[in-house]
Amino acid sequence: KAGVTQTPRYLIKTRGQQVTLSCSPISGHRSVSWYQQTPGQGLQFLFEYFSETQRNKGNFPGRFSGRQFSNSRSEMNVSTLELGDSALYLCASSSSGGFYEQYFGPGTRLTVT
Amino acid sequence: SQQGEEDPQALSIQEGENATMNCSYKTSINNLQWYRQNSGRGLVHLILIRSNEREKHSGRLRVTLDTSKKSSSLLITASRAADTASYFCATDAGNDYKLSFGAGTTVTVRA
Repeated sequence: KAGVTQTPRYLIKTRGQQVTLSCSPISGHRSVSWYQQTPGQGLQFLFEYFSETQRNKGNFPGRFSGRQFSNSRSEMNVSTLELGDSALYLCASSSSGGFYEQYFGPGTRLTVT
Repeated sequence: SQQGEEDPQALSIQEGENATMNCSYKTSINNLQWYRQNSGRGLVHLILIRSNEREKHSGRLRVTLDTSKKSSSLLITASRAADTASYFCATDAGNDYKLSFGAGTTVTVRA
């Protein structure tokens, strides 16, 4: 099976712009989670989707949003980018989410200048 | 805020030696997992231990869980250069569909 894929792998944006990141889960996986990783805050949970429904959202401002499509692919969007949004954004999929192992993608490295 | 704290923050060992790292967490959990991350890349799942289990083995990995102390340990035996990575514990609690990660332990295995 192909692993979790994330596009793009690297992204440079300017403050105030918006960005959309994409994640394709492992075939058959219906749960997709997003995490932000920074040197200062570590790995922080953003949101989790299952069958197009958001089941949980982390403690992030409303500028961070996401969605899941009927084919389980997911996107996350960050609007009005701030310097502090520079991070590695990781997507993970699992068969149900939370109670089973998560399969992570390689991440998207976002740099905001 | 993170659920877990890991100790030590960094560890340097010689190839062939054992590496032990610890994770403490704050609230009751359903499961605890350990992940490995190589140099800012994606995380790789290593092992999952359920709250009603006390010890689990997988190859050169041994994980223990003490729910009374809210702590877990990961032992890597006979370390190899390829074990150089950051190791994270992650917990899930209830039906919240999220993992809470510790800060991680960076392990360097010297040849």
